[in-house]
Amino acid sequence: QTVVTQEPSFSVSPGGTVTLTCGLSSGSVSTNNYPSWYQQTPGQAPRTLIYNTNTRSPGVPDRFSGSLPGNKAALTITGAQADDESDYYCLLYIHNGIWVFGGGTRLTVL
Amino acid sequence: QVQLVESGGGVVQPGRSLRLSCAVSGYPFRENGMHWVRQAPGKGLEWVAAISHDGSDKFYPDSVKGRFTISRDDSRNTLYLQMNSLKTEDTAVYHCSRWFGEGTKYMDVWGKGTTVTVSS
Repeated sequence: QTVVTQEPSFSVSPGGTVTLTCGLSSGSVSTNNYPSWYQQTPGQAPRTLIYNTNTRSPGVPDRFSGSLPGNKAALTITGAQADDESDYYCLLYIHNGIWVFGGGTRLTVL
Repeated sequence: QVQLVESGGGVVQPGRSLRLSCAVSGYPFRENGMHWVRQAPGKGLEWVAAISHDGSDKFYPDSVKGRFTISRDDSRNTLYLQMNSLKTEDTAVYHCSRWFGEGTKYMDVWGKGTTVTVSS
């Protein structure tokens, strides 16, 4: 069974930079996994931030960026703001019509 | 604008069935595949099912395969999730989402969800 790994929690100071990662239990993440990232605040629907590793969805501020450093996908927030405090999920396409979400990272801005 | 509105959630006993609906508006429904994603209380997102734009391909994780069926009615601009043999661990908020394009593998628009509670 494929497991997608994320840090359970992270904290960042206002104005600071934070990088969240997304890994695969069975090996390296690649562009063939089409990494995407979603932001969710409690009680709300998810919001799509990044798709195809590093493409921002329309309307997403450029302080959010995606990359593939090494064997993991990454979401970097540069110049964190108070309303960036949310849960962040990565989604990987595994193969043959199977998608798996990571467990999510709870980001605190303080 | 694009809108996805789920309905059909409720309280159901273990072993029973429930059908969820997702009404779509704001774009040509038949042009995109669709997904269902759920979130159990206090837990993360879990992908539940996907269907191609023409309904010819359907995909499920092992956790629901054989119990859940995704379908679509393009004449009604509506996506469905038929859930049979429900278990307590199926308790969750169920969201529908749009599969942006079948050459891509992500979800670009989300509904607010409908709550399913499986309890005796």
